[in-house]
Amino acid sequence: NAGVTQTPKFQVLKTGQSMTLQCAQDMNHEYMSWYRQDPGMGLRLIHYSVGAGITDQGEVPNGYNVSRSTTEDFPLRLLSAAPSQTSVYFCASRRDSSPYEQYFGPGTRLTVT
Amino acid sequence: AQSVTQLDSQVPVFEEAPVELRCNYSSSVSVYLFWYVQYPNQGLQLLLKYLSGSTLVKGINGFEAEFNKSQTSFHLRKPSVHISDTAEYFCAVSRGKLIFGQGTELSVKP
Repeated sequence: NAGVTQTPKFQVLKTGQSMTLQCAQDMNHEYMSWYRQDPGMGLRLIHYSVGAGITDQGEVPNGYNVSRSTTEDFPLRLLSAAPSQTSVYFCASRRDSSPYEQYFGPGTRLTVT
Repeated sequence: AQSVTQLDSQVPVFEEAPVELRCNYSSSVSVYLFWYVQYPNQGLQLLLKYLSGSTLVKGINGFEAEFNKSQTSFHLRKPSVHISDTAEYFCAVSRGKLIFGQGTELSVKP
């Protein structure tokens, strides 16, 4: 198993540009989520999904969109990037019946200039 | 709603010394508690977890944590640290969604 994979590893955007951060898992996990990590603030939940076709907002959803068309994939979209979205983004997944064994991807480091 | 507070943002310690990283949580319901470790430029790795039962939980790399319900704490300890323990440590709580603390940077010096 590859586990949770994220692409790209690094990305630089200009203000106003759009992009999609990709996340995939091959463990057949129902629950997937996106976090952003900023210095001194830990990881904050952006959006999460409990299964294909179902998504919900976390603590800091503004400026981000998600969709879940398949169990495996959970892309995060930035429609109009802002410097405040400069961060490291982590995707995670777990079984819905196992609310503790969460697996994290390697992260995407995004810089918005 | 749940919240987590890590009481120290940075903890410098000499090699082979003991260390304690402090974590307090707030929740109106019972929760699961976790410690994650993040080595430089890497993702998060589960260090240990408390689900129920014994309040002393042992994890990987010689770390352990004690759940104290009356003080709503879940402090992480290691009796003797190594240089390789230098990393950022995150306390987290879950009752569905996983909520993280702000992180503690552990710096082990020779």
